[in-house]
Amino acid sequence: ILNVEQSPQSLHVQEGDSTNFTCSFPSSNFYALHWYRWETAKSPEALFVMTLNGDEKKKGRISATLNTKEGYSYLYIKGSQPEDSATYLCASRKGGQNFVFGPGTRLSVLP
Amino acid sequence: DVKVTQSSRYLVKRTGEKVFLECVQDMDHENMFWYRQDPGLGLRLIYFSYDVKMKEKGDIPEGYSVSREKKERFSLILESASTNQTSMYLCASSPTVPTYEQYFGPGTRLTVT
Repeated sequence: ILNVEQSPQSLHVQEGDSTNFTCSFPSSNFYALHWYRWETAKSPEALFVMTLNGDEKKKGRISATLNTKEGYSYLYIKGSQPEDSATYLCASRKGGQNFVFGPGTRLSVLP
Repeated sequence: DVKVTQSSRYLVKRTGEKVFLECVQDMDHENMFWYRQDPGLGLRLIYFSYDVKMKEKGDIPEGYSVSREKKERFSLILESASTNQTSMYLCASSPTVPTYEQYFGPGTRLTVT
């Protein structure tokens, strides 16, 4: 994989459903994987930074896992709420200062 | 809290105009970035700066230049705006250590007519 890919591109879930989406990134020369949440009319907000294979991070109902050997990360949201509606971005960093962002997954949580 | 501000939320310019987008951060971060975001594409890096008066080209620098005269301010310049530069522009800053987490501004939606 040359670029960072995210799937699905968008999804709609009902309030209370749990959901997950995927970020795929080049596994060679991996340094760190970042997740951001971008709500409409707001700035992207950092959720997690993960560096080690097998890392798991959790913030409230949101958690993420990392597999650096195969080059993917999952983001999970348990019991989705309308305020979780946002675009979720992942970004891979190979070292230095630069990030390569995926196109994002747009989540809509319907009440 | 870190704050990154951008000079305008919405901007409409004509083709051929010179356009300045300003970004200011208040956390004394060394690194600053300019991205553009277009539908279906990820954030694409235009330029970044890791120190005052230092700049590096990102993935899509053509048609853009930048200026960083002070640590807190990073300006993106469109020398002669074109319609294909209509986009959402995001500025970000980050410390050099430890996690390089980026802090974003609210974005400027630029329309070039």
